[in-house]
Amino acid sequence: DVQLQESGPGLVKPSQSLSLTCSVTGYSITSGYYWNWIRQFPGNKLEWMGYISYDGSNNYNPSLKNRISITRDTSKNQFFLRLNSVTTEDTATYFCARDQDGLFVWGAGTTVTVSS
Amino acid sequence: DIQMTQSPASLSASVGETVTITCRSSENIYSYLAWCQQKQGKSPQLLVYNAKTLAEGVPSRFSGSGSGTQFSLKINSLQPEDFGSYYCQHHYGTPWTFGGGTKLEIK
Repeated sequence: DVQLQESGPGLVKPSQSLSLTCSVTGYSITSGYYWNWIRQFPGNKLEWMGYISYDGSNNYNPSLKNRISITRDTSKNQFFLRLNSVTTEDTATYFCARDQDGLFVWGAGTTVTVSS
Repeated sequence: DIQMTQSPASLSASVGETVTITCRSSENIYSYLAWCQQKQGKSPQLLVYNAKTLAEGVPSRFSGSGSGTQFSLKINSLQPEDFGSYYCQHHYGTPWTFGGGTKLEIK
């Protein structure tokens, strides 16, 4: 079975960049599916952020398009989130997830707080 | 973006009861509607997709229905492990969007 695990700093200062890693085991990220980042804000609202596909193409939520980048390292079977110019409104739990046709298999999530 | 609206936002029920959660989409999504369950401190888990198809391993006391813009999730004979939060999500096309959630609590 595929497993996804997020990692990265738990605290980021405003105006800086947020960078997270998703390590995938049990399935090659180049074999198929779409590899997503989704976040859950305090209060529990869920927001799909974007994905990198098995072929390396991207699709981002238009609400984030100017700030987000999702890349990958196929040799390590990892993919990454970079979110620029963060504010306190980016405080959330960030999940990586595998999807096919919009149906997700989720990682455990990692909480990121944006604060000075 | 397609807006997903869930009701109620919270629900209190006893073990053995039957409950229904509803979800409305802002435009026709045919049957491209999923439900997921999230327990406190855990990630969401897929329960239902295509409006009524149970994901692997999901008990038959869960059932989904609806099409177009109106959907529901019914849980028969609530069990202690069913308490948590439930979210609807369309899978009609990106950007994927979610309902605001329904928190199901023990009465």
